[in-house]
Amino acid sequence: GQSLEQPSEVTAVEGAIVQINCTYQTSGFYGLSWYQQHDGGAPTFLSYNALDGLEETGRFSSFLSRSDSYGYLLLQELQMKDSASYFCARGGQAGTALIFGKGTTLSVSS
Amino acid sequence: DAGVTQSPTHLIKTRGQQVTLRCSPKSGHDTVSWYQQALGQGPQFIFQYYEEEERQRGNFPDRFSGHQFPNYSSELNVNALLLGDSALYLCASSFGAGGGPYEQYFGPGTRLTVT
Repeated sequence: GQSLEQPSEVTAVEGAIVQINCTYQTSGFYGLSWYQQHDGGAPTFLSYNALDGLEETGRFSSFLSRSDSYGYLLLQELQMKDSASYFCARGGQAGTALIFGKGTTLSVSS
Repeated sequence: DAGVTQSPTHLIKTRGQQVTLRCSPKSGHDTVSWYQQALGQGPQFIFQYYEEEERQRGNFPDRFSGHQFPNYSSELNVNALLLGDSALYLCASSFGAGGGPYEQYFGPGTRLTVT
């Protein structure tokens, strides 16, 4: 199978750090992408991991462990505008489809 | 530089009707993928077009068909609409060649309601 599992909801306060985990089935796995989607908006690309390790982009980082079939998105110094849905998706290599998880709704409060 | 555009933004159809949704990719992109997103769910892959051919297809019935034109724009057609086809339809474009990390740029979507 190609399914992905991620928590449905996460809550945090401004300035905090939150980690959104994603586990996936290994069949045909190539890489793990993360997308952010605000209510009523289009998904926007955050990061992509094809190899084990951490990728850092500003306040957001993404991690992949292929041996554990596991990845996470780390959001630091949370801001109210980070309240959105976050999707992990397998794929992300040119020419392949993205298979999305069901998404994690992050609510940031003051 | 225009991003991905989709039309129409909203559409209401009746069961059994047919619908055509349109997408123009981001400048410089040659690959278009279509996704269906039901409320509260992640986008589900319908199919991908590259060089005017369907390169990959998800688990959707033949009622869902598409086309890519020489200018890389694309259409999604859905025949014999069912109530369950009500969803946000997202188009995403990318550059289809080469390896390494790449991102798909999503359009704002078309909200289809079937009554």
